[in-house]
Amino acid sequence: AQSVSQHNHHVILSEAASLELGCNYSYGGTVNLFWYVQYPGQHLQLLLKYFSGDPLVKGIKGFEAEFIKSKFSFNLRKPSVQWSDTAEYFCAVNSGGGADGLTFGKGTHLIIQP
Amino acid sequence: GAVVSQHPSWVICKSGTSVKIECRSLDFQATTMFWYRQFPKQSLMLMATSNEGSKATYEQGVEKDKFLINHASLTLSTLTVTSAHPEDSSFYICSADPSGRRGTQYFGPGTRLTVL
Repeated sequence: AQSVSQHNHHVILSEAASLELGCNYSYGGTVNLFWYVQYPGQHLQLLLKYFSGDPLVKGIKGFEAEFIKSKFSFNLRKPSVQWSDTAEYFCAVNSGGGADGLTFGKGTHLIIQP
Repeated sequence: GAVVSQHPSWVICKSGTSVKIECRSLDFQATTMFWYRQFPKQSLMLMATSNEGSKATYEQGVEKDKFLINHASLTLSTLTVTSAHPEDSSFYICSADPSGRRGTQYFGPGTRLTVL
């Protein structure tokens, strides 16, 4: 069975600070990795995804993530956060075939202070 | 593109009644849709995979007779919570996969169910 661990449940940063949210997964086979964001009162939106190839993935709104297979990690980064980045961030995985449902981490609540 | 809608957005019902939630892909076809449940301040948990034209696949611990799923067309899946009880109160979210293989799931806005 797959599992996803997000270590930071609540993160508070000031605008322009750099961001790194941790995500580790547990699964013995090939995985696809995702980061979703949920802004207040809105539905989940895909930030970025990794299926294969270059382990450094760039997504929308200046976010990027790096897949490190040896560490089973897929950490999300942004060099300079904005107040509008305040949201809930979820890391998720599914199996290599890609057609399966997602296993989510518990989420990280990010608050950016002006 | 890739918009998924859910209806209703919120519903309140009495204990023992049944509630139907619709999930529609508005601008694409989806042979596969997924139903998730999100408890307050918690993550999403996959309940079942809805396959067009065939029976849904339920995750371990999810009662298939309580959570009836029908995927009658390539743009519509429905979740019916039968004989609802207060412990079924939750946020139900669907997603749809446009490609069906190594695809990306697009999520609906969710339906908040409150059972009195």
